[in-house]
Amino acid sequence: NAGVMQNPRHLVRRRGQEARLRCSPMKGHSHVYWYRQLPEEGLKFMVYLQKENIIDESGMPKERFSAEFPKEGPSILRIQQVVRGDSAAYFCASSRSRAGGPQEEQFFGPGTRLTVL
Amino acid sequence: GENVEQHPSTLSVQEGDSAVIKCTYSDSASNYFPWYKQELGKRPQLIIDIRSNVGEKKDQRIAVTLNKTAKHFSLHITETQPEDSAVYFCAASIGRDYKLSFGAGTTVTVRA
Repeated sequence: NAGVMQNPRHLVRRRGQEARLRCSPMKGHSHVYWYRQLPEEGLKFMVYLQKENIIDESGMPKERFSAEFPKEGPSILRIQQVVRGDSAAYFCASSRSRAGGPQEEQFFGPGTRLTVL
Repeated sequence: GENVEQHPSTLSVQEGDSAVIKCTYSDSASNYFPWYKQELGKRPQLIIDIRSNVGEKKDQRIAVTLNKTAKHFSLHITETQPEDSAVYFCAASIGRDYKLSFGAGTTVTVRA
């Protein structure tokens, strides 16, 4: 069973370009979370998605950032018109869904390190 | 929203000694408290978790304690080894919200 996969692992963009980060959850997982980690800081929640639905986007900036988790294919975190402050590691995590069950462990992907020049 | 504070930010211990990291949380509705270990340049990995119906949980050299009344929880690593050197993050989540709020992390260095 492959773990959470993210690509690319490293992404370099110039200011004003678009960045697309992809996340494939573990098999059987229908919950996806995106977190941002600035250098030497903790992980900050951005958005929580289930298939075809955004459940909670309270941690995601309203401007330039968007996320989706389509019925088929990976979850995508999209950053338009990137700025230097967007440089960070972006981690995706996934967990199983079990109606009425307790909180399930979140498994993290290897992250995408975005550098904005 | 949930606010998680973590102390200390750095911790240096002699090999074989114990390491203790403490976290506090703000929302009394929080009921799930995982701890993650992150080695340099790698993904965070769950090392232990505790739910609010349990006061203490142990897994070999690692233990976690939870005080719901005081809203704090701690990670204890005994007989530390050089491979325990990493950044450790505590987190808390509320019910079925599934969203994790992380502490700022503790950089643990085990001196040989």
